[in-house]
Amino acid sequence: DGGITQSPKYLFRKEGQNVTLSCEQNLNHDAMYWYRQDPGQGLRLIYYSQIVNDFQKGDIAEGYSVSREKKESFPLTVTSAQKNPTAFYLCASSLPGLAVSTDTQYFGPGTRLTVL
Amino acid sequence: ELKVEQNPLFLSMQEGKNYTIYCNYSTTSDRLYWYRQDPGKSLESLFVLLSNGAVKQEGRLMASLDTKARLSTLHITAAVHDLSATYFCAVEYNAGNMLTFGGGTRLMVKP
Repeated sequence: DGGITQSPKYLFRKEGQNVTLSCEQNLNHDAMYWYRQDPGQGLRLIYYSQIVNDFQKGDIAEGYSVSREKKESFPLTVTSAQKNPTAFYLCASSLPGLAVSTDTQYFGPGTRLTVL
Repeated sequence: ELKVEQNPLFLSMQEGKNYTIYCNYSTTSDRLYWYRQDPGKSLESLFVLLSNGAVKQEGRLMASLDTKARLSTLHITAAVHDLSATYFCAVEYNAGNMLTFGGGTRLMVKP
């Protein structure tokens, strides 16, 4: 089955630690995205990548970093510079440029990060 | 900067009733998406609206897009409890499938 996987499902971080959230897709999508969702809020874009070895900052990139070494993988690192990282993190992927008329972003199951 | 506003933010309704959720956005866009999110879960795609006047229906949900008014509606017909969820609209703001999300509408359907 094609889809997007995220791990871990739950993650706990101590103050000052960096943590990395995994996102893998087997949909053969070129574009991948990371969003943050706070309780009762919408999604905000952290980073996105339209192609391997290239990525761009979204609206709230400060304190986060990403890499895109493989088409299937787009890991997100939450660094100690992110002062309020407790949130629900969602990874998504899509075909680039809406090549298919019914294309949308497909979302993974999410990782819930809590700072202790 | 593109802003997307949904209203209402919270909606409690009885089963069997009809209601409409509104999604307004601030700059020109021809593409709008509706998603559903169950508590603690990821987002599920409901509709993709690609042009002015587009209307799509799936079961008790119908979505429409008026690009001139910068408005999309999600109409619920004869609501059932299973429709209880949070509904998000998202507007594309450049050709690279970048989306700006509304704040969501939390729908509760009471038996």
